[in-house]
Amino acid sequence: KAGVTQTPRYLIKTRGQQVTLSCSPISGHRSVSWYQQTPGQGLQFLFEYFSETQRNKGNFPGRFSGRQFSNSRSEMNVSTLELGDSALYLCASSLGGAGDTQYFGPGTRLTVL
Amino acid sequence: DAKTTQPTSMDCAEGRAANLPCNHSTISGNEYVYWYRQIHSQGPQYIIHGLKNNETNEMASLIITEDRKSSTLILPHATLRDTAVYYCIVKEIQGAQKLVFGQGTRLTINP
Repeated sequence: KAGVTQTPRYLIKTRGQQVTLSCSPISGHRSVSWYQQTPGQGLQFLFEYFSETQRNKGNFPGRFSGRQFSNSRSEMNVSTLELGDSALYLCASSLGGAGDTQYFGPGTRLTVL
Repeated sequence: DAKTTQPTSMDCAEGRAANLPCNHSTISGNEYVYWYRQIHSQGPQYIIHGLKNNETNEMASLIITEDRKSSTLILPHATLRDTAVYYCIVKEIQGAQKLVFGQGTRLTINP
């Protein structure tokens, strides 16, 4: 089975712009979670989507949003980019049950100038 | 906040067993112990998880104490490719699909 894929792998934006990141889960997985990793804050949970619905949300401002499509692929959007949004954005997929293991993609490295 | 405590860094010689400790003294009966590792700037890689019994797979062994307040991840024959940050995470069996990462242990395998 192919693993979790994320596109693009690298992205450079300027302050005030918006960005959309994409995640394709492992085939058969219905849950997609997004995480942000920065040197200062470490790995932090953004939100989780299951069956096209946001099921859980972390403590991030409303500029961070996401959606999930019927094929379980997910996108994450960040509007009005700030310098502090520079980070590695990771998505993880699982079958969706509470005890199911999450598998991570390689991440998208976002740099905001 | 993370519910686990891990040493900041550890060293191990190549070919030896690497034993990574994790303290989770407030763990409850319905929480798993998960281990992931992250090689520089890559996505975290799932290693193993357990509830109360010891577990072994092709990558590692997980030893959980009888009171479940601590655990040890064992990499039996460490190689240079095992150099990474190792995260120990507790997660509710019935909880949200949300992993709470601490700072992890930076394991360096030396030749």
